[in-house]
Amino acid sequence: QSALTQPRSVSGSPGQSVTISCSGTSSDVGGYDHVSWYQQHPGKAPKFIIYDVTKRPSGVPDRFSGSKSGNTASLTISGLQAEDEADYYCCSPASSSSVFGGGTKLTVL
Amino acid sequence: QIALKESGPTLVKPTQTLTLTCTFSGFSLSTSGVGVGWIRQPPGKALEWLAVIYWNDDRRYSPSLKSRVTITKDTSKNQVVLTMTNMDPVDTATYYCAHRPPYCRGGSCLDYWGQGTLVTVSS
Repeated sequence: QSALTQPRSVSGSPGQSVTISCSGTSSDVGGYDHVSWYQQHPGKAPKFIIYDVTKRPSGVPDRFSGSKSGNTASLTISGLQAEDEADYYCCSPASSSSVFGGGTKLTVL
Repeated sequence: QIALKESGPTLVKPTQTLTLTCTFSGFSLSTSGVGVGWIRQPPGKALEWLAVIYWNDDRRYSPSLKSRVTITKDTSKNQVVLTMTNMDPVDTATYYCAHRPPYCRGGSCLDYWGQGTLVTVSS
């Protein structure tokens, strides 16, 4: 299967909100309510921030929220902070496997 | 607390077989719903999902790599092994293993990750 489609980059100022999209097909994003999102800072392992489209693991601030409409999932980060500057990846089940998105670089201006 | 660590060669030659071991603690792969997955990331590029093995020995693979990849587990040693045959320079990447918690569905939900190990494929 092909990687899920994410914008290469997004940006926002501190305190603002940004939304990162993750587009797939009915065979992946659209077919399952199990999209996850990961945050990765340079040189670090990814961090789990959203699962099952909308759920936050313990310890993840409620500034991070997820949603889905049809074949597109979205991650919204509100009240942007400097530490949110990182790469973000979505991941979805896809038939008998899973697939990541191409990643989005978030710049906090 | 849950921890995972990848180990294996840092350099392999083209056509060789790569064997990576994920040694974990803080959970058991015999617990219902638990899984361990492998993911890789070429330098400067995106994450790529490779494979997952579940507590019941169910195994799932990326369709594009299924012919080259095998995932196995040794529950008594708390280890999961990934083998990848016929290595090529394009397989140069940081390889991560990660824990799939029982409250999740599918292999896309990975809550604890190892630090990763960089594998370079070069003659």
